[in-house]
Amino acid sequence: AQTVTQSQPEMSVQEAETVTLSCTYDTSESDYYLFWYKQPPSRQMILVIRQEAYKQQNATENRFSVNFQKAAKSFSLKISDSQLGDAAMYFCAYSNTGNQFYFGTGTSLTVIP
Amino acid sequence: GAVVSQHPSWVICKSGTSVKIECRSLDFQATTMFWYRQFPKQSLMLMATSNEGSKATYEQGVEKDKFLINHASLTLSTLTVTSAHPEDSSFYICSARAGGQSEKLFFGSGTQLSVL
Repeated sequence: AQTVTQSQPEMSVQEAETVTLSCTYDTSESDYYLFWYKQPPSRQMILVIRQEAYKQQNATENRFSVNFQKAAKSFSLKISDSQLGDAAMYFCAYSNTGNQFYFGTGTSLTVIP
Repeated sequence: GAVVSQHPSWVICKSGTSVKIECRSLDFQATTMFWYRQFPKQSLMLMATSNEGSKATYEQGVEKDKFLINHASLTLSTLTVTSAHPEDSSFYICSARAGGQSEKLFFGSGTQLSVL
């Protein structure tokens, strides 16, 4: 069975600094997708970034980038130049080609002014 | 990006009544929709997967007679909590998967259900 693990329940970062959120997953499949979703206090789930497993190049979206280590089954999110609006719960998610999505337990990120 | 509309955003009901939550994909056809339940400061727990025109697939431990799911069209799925009780109070979120973007999941804004 696929599992997604986020070992950091809470993280904090100083405004304008960089923070890395960790995520590991377990799968026996070779073709899959990985995601980071953000859930601010409004509770609306927002897609932050997406990575296809077959791509070796790490995905980037402006201040957000990932470090995808397929062999280690690791998928960390780096937030650069942190802003107050980045404060939220962050969920790592895995999706296989069989229509299933699996979410980690989440990391609560606090941004300190 | 694609938009998923979920209504109502907040509902309070008496114990024993039924509540219907709607999830609509506004600008795309959703072949598959998912229903999640989320407790405070916890992750999303998948309740069921619904495919248009067929019966929903429920996750282990989810009572299908209590949480009725209907996906009658490519743009609408509904979750009905039947005979709601206080333990059913939770935040329910729907999501939809577009046929042409099968690897992306679009979320509704959620429904906070409070059963008195």
